[in-house]
Amino acid sequence: QKEVEQDPGPLSVPEGAIVSLNCTYSNSAFQYFMWYRQYSRKGPELLMYTYSSGNKEDGRFTAQVDKSSKYISLFIRDSQPSDSATYLCAMKGGSARQLTFGSGTQLTVLP
Amino acid sequence: ETGVTQTPRHLVMGMTNKKSLKCEQHLGHNAMYWYKQSAKKPLELMFVYNFKEQTENNSVPSRFSPECPNSSHLFLHLHTLQPEDSALYLCASSQDAVNKAKNIQYFGAGTRLSVL
Repeated sequence: QKEVEQDPGPLSVPEGAIVSLNCTYSNSAFQYFMWYRQYSRKGPELLMYTYSSGNKEDGRFTAQVDKSSKYISLFIRDSQPSDSATYLCAMKGGSARQLTFGSGTQLTVLP
Repeated sequence: ETGVTQTPRHLVMGMTNKKSLKCEQHLGHNAMYWYKQSAKKPLELMFVYNFKEQTENNSVPSRFSPECPNSSHLFLHLHTLQPEDSALYLCASSQDAVNKAKNIQYFGAGTRLSVL
């Protein structure tokens, strides 16, 4: 079993849709959760950062962490074609000093 | 443009060639990382340097040899590579490599490597 599972997609949605991206994990010691966005031919850039459980909102983006279910989500409201990218979840904590990444979900928002 | 610059952006090499990838960060960070990114697979951490000292080597084959002359520069020397080494090689930096608190990694755009 992988430490972090992420549906690779691809996921296509119409412009304006609400997008839900998810990751599950097996290591209950993970405490720091991040979402990175990677455009084609670019490196990943940090989008959202959350510590422990709860929600965090930043503009059209909301990150949720449910540690009891070992499940994290990223919601994108009013999605735009410029949101088309690969979204990577990443996490660390406990004895894991370095980030463990999911495989990424490729998202396309159609105009 | 990010504060982490990688060169070259693309590299094609034969299995007997020797080449080097370069990474430079302008963020004043003390930790630098090499990752391998292959299609449909999670980022694989290869090496970590913290204050110029190598702190992690994730069982990377010896045909990959890192070098960190100072906190701002990181190299990955390549020799006798295999076709399965073709991938996107990403460099990242962060404030330090051991602080479990907010320790954001900033990535370069990567070097797309093709081994023929």
